[in-house]
Amino acid sequence: QQQVKQSPQSLIVQKGGIPIINCAYENTAFDYFPWYQQFPGKGPALLIAIRPDVSEKKEGRFTISFNKSAKQFSLHIMDSQPGDSATYFCAASYNTDKLIFGTGTRLQVFP
Amino acid sequence: NAGVTQTPKFQVLKTGQSMTLQCAQDMNHEYMSWYRQDPGMGLRLIHYSVGAGITDQGEVPNGYNVSRSTTEDFPLRLLSAAPSQTSVYFCASSYGLGSSTDTQYFGPGTRLTVL
Repeated sequence: QQQVKQSPQSLIVQKGGIPIINCAYENTAFDYFPWYQQFPGKGPALLIAIRPDVSEKKEGRFTISFNKSAKQFSLHIMDSQPGDSATYFCAASYNTDKLIFGTGTRLQVFP
Repeated sequence: NAGVTQTPKFQVLKTGQSMTLQCAQDMNHEYMSWYRQDPGMGLRLIHYSVGAGITDQGEVPNGYNVSRSTTEDFPLRLLSAAPSQTSVYFCASSYGLGSSTDTQYFGPGTRLTVL
């Protein structure tokens, strides 16, 4: 059972564009929503995370928007750069702390 | 700190062979876990451990065994490899389960091919 649905599967933007990756979840008990970034040949690394008591969180060019009533959250990358080309995973967890990952979005940013 | 290390980086097995994927961390993390990554499937939890001597199953545990004799090491054993176990395997660790905001640190992965 896929508890975190992520879209799109792949995304191509030009430098300076604002790619948006969306995730939807089913379990209302989830209380932690991180995004991980993975470069080819590397393990995922935490990029940014949010808890459901806030609707938005920004860290540099990366922003998470959170809609609790719709059970959706999204990652926005402002002024995207070729160095942002990577696979992005959303995830969710609840009290047991087992992370449930989305299926990933491969982002390519062209100069 | 080396962080989370995994060996080997690449491995090719024949169906039915056994092997152990090694994982070690030097951050004194209590929580360690194994994931497999397959195209279009994301990261799926195989087994996890909340401390030395304690392990539990994740989403896809069949065909894999784990043990946790020390805080630092968390090996993953394939008893009889099958082509369906061809995947990239990641080990991860974090401070614990006390807070759901504990960051998980991932190793570089082991790419396994079963022929």
